[in-house]
Amino acid sequence: DQQVKQNSPSLSVQEGRISILNCDYTNSMFDYFLWYKKYPAEGPTFLISISSIKDKNEDGRFTVFLNKSAKHLSLHIVPSQPGDSAVYFCAARDSGNTPLVFGKGTRLSVIA
Amino acid sequence: EAGVVQSPRYKIIEKKQPVAFWCNPISGHNTLYWYLQNLGQGPELLIRYENEEAVDDSQLPKDRFSAERLKGVDSTLKIQPAELGDSAVYLCASSPGQPTGELFFGEGSRLTVL
Repeated sequence: DQQVKQNSPSLSVQEGRISILNCDYTNSMFDYFLWYKKYPAEGPTFLISISSIKDKNEDGRFTVFLNKSAKHLSLHIVPSQPGDSAVYFCAARDSGNTPLVFGKGTRLSVIA
Repeated sequence: EAGVVQSPRYKIIEKKQPVAFWCNPISGHNTLYWYLQNLGQGPELLIRYENEEAVDDSQLPKDRFSAERLKGVDSTLKIQPAELGDSAVYLCASSPGQPTGELFFGEGSRLTVL
């Protein structure tokens, strides 16, 4: 049973527009959420995170929103740039000493 | 600061052959992870070490997979014998531990079993 779900395998966005990547989770014990970005032939790199005590965290062009009641989070990229083209993984963990659980990823293509 | 280093980057072997992957974590990171990533999937945990102790290996197929982390630094993941279904990317990650749980990944070792 997948605890972290990214239901859109791919997303295509025009350069300069907003990219919205979605993630749903089923485990109500999750309290910390992260987004990772992965380029081909490279390992995932940390992008942004959010704790369950917040509903928004912003870092430059990247903003993550958390809706705990809906068990849903989203990553907004504004404005989108061609260099943002990558696979984005949503990950979550609970407050115990447990490892991250990853979604399957969403491939973002930003078209110039 | 050096990142997580993995080798080899690519390995092609025939089925039933053994293979080993090596990982050097970021200096000072006590927690080390091995993740498996199949095509089109997210990383899935194989094993987690706290220093030299394996604290979570429930997802490691112990009939053919083994891992060790001697002296609590470098780690080796071994598969013997390899099967066709083992073709995947093997990712090593490390973290300084709590509270954020952010992981730092290596570039991965891509295994192809023929």
